[in-house]
Amino acid sequence: ETGVTQTPRHLVMGMTNKKSLKCEQHLGHNAMYWYKQSAKKPLELMFVYNFKEQTENNSVPSRFSPECPNSSHLFLHLHTLQPEDSALYLCASSQERWQTYEQYFGPGTRLTVT
Amino acid sequence: DAKTTQPTSMDCAEGRAANLPCNHSTISGNEYVYWYRQIHSQGPQYIIHGLKNNETNEMASLIITEDRKSSTLILPHATLRDTAVYYCIVPRTTSGTYKYIFGTGTRLKVLA
Repeated sequence: ETGVTQTPRHLVMGMTNKKSLKCEQHLGHNAMYWYKQSAKKPLELMFVYNFKEQTENNSVPSRFSPECPNSSHLFLHLHTLQPEDSALYLCASSQERWQTYEQYFGPGTRLTVT
Repeated sequence: DAKTTQPTSMDCAEGRAANLPCNHSTISGNEYVYWYRQIHSQGPQYIIHGLKNNETNEMASLIITEDRKSSTLILPHATLRDTAVYYCIVPRTTSGTYKYIFGTGTRLKVLA
């Protein structure tokens, strides 16, 4: 257990559906991250939040919409996804962004878009 | 940017030490080296990090060369559960904030 939980662990959705991924951290951290890991590819950073403010968006398509209501919770809202969006979505947290701190990852949500 | 280079894969016999190398020849003086591992389809797990001195914790040891251009992660007594992809990362700074760039890592297979 890393102190970072993600729900659901598995999700199958059609291209016209809307769904949300949830991440919660119990570590008192102030920075939270979304990563995407497609099959046989390295992890790609998608979004970063630091003290609830989005500080990074790595050119992610608008069909992915993040939300960070407080430092403990992070959501990724999904709509009109494409089959190529099928991947493992990982959430992570760290103490904050202005110094290097270790990141703690959740177990991920395995998303399949049909 | 401090880019890292790692071998694609390695094998290690169970009970022996696993030595995983990483080159980071463009590392700057104040940049740390971090190691993570990812067991199949799970989230990456933090292992250890260091700046200049060698570091040891309950999981592993990190040996950083004096010129800091390379490092080695040592798992002293590898077990089957250590089979994973190991990532060596030097966090990159942009506008004063840090982020990780994950490469393809080293796929370590521990053999019985």
